[in-house]
Amino acid sequence: DQQVKQNSPSLSVQEGRISILNCDYTNSMFDYFLWYKKYPAEGPTFLISISSIKDKNEDGRFTVFLNKSAKHLSLHIVPSQPGDSAVYFCAASHNNDMRFGAGTRLTVKP
Amino acid sequence: NAGVTQTPKFQVLKTGQSMTLQCAQDMNHNSMYWYRQDPGMGLRLIYYSASEGTTDKGEVPNGYNVSRLNKREFSLRLESAAPSQTSVYFCASSETSSPGEEQYFGPGTRLTVT
Repeated sequence: DQQVKQNSPSLSVQEGRISILNCDYTNSMFDYFLWYKKYPAEGPTFLISISSIKDKNEDGRFTVFLNKSAKHLSLHIVPSQPGDSAVYFCAASHNNDMRFGAGTRLTVKP
Repeated sequence: NAGVTQTPKFQVLKTGQSMTLQCAQDMNHNSMYWYRQDPGMGLRLIYYSASEGTTDKGEVPNGYNVSRLNKREFSLRLESAAPSQTSVYFCASSETSSPGEEQYFGPGTRLTVT
């Protein structure tokens, strides 16, 4: 059962515009949410996280929003840059159980 | 600082063969993890080691064994490989196993079982 879903396999945006990546989860026990970025032939790298007691966390160009009632989180990248082109994975954890979404491939066009 | 290293990078096995995937980290992290990634799916946790001397099953442990050799090294063994184990395997480490803790990933091992 996929407890974390990223329903958009791909997203294309223009350089300088906002990228919004979405993620839905089903397990209300999850209490931490993370975003990882992955380039081809490399392992994922951590981007940003949020705990369930918050609804927003910012780090530079990256902001994660959490809507617990809707079991939905989103990652906003503003402004988007060509170097942001990668696969983005959403992950949710409770204790030592971390579940990942299938990923969204972001392409930022110059 | 190499971070998390994995060997080999690529491997082809025949059904029934065995092999061990090696992972090492030089960040003095306490916790280590093994994941597999299949097309159209996210990473799935196979086994983890919250601290040296302990190992626990993750979401998909069947067909695998692990050894936490010391604080630095965490190996994954396939005793009798099956085509369903064709995947990309990632090792990761984190300072602790606290929820939400950032994990550092190795570059992956691409395994094909024929």
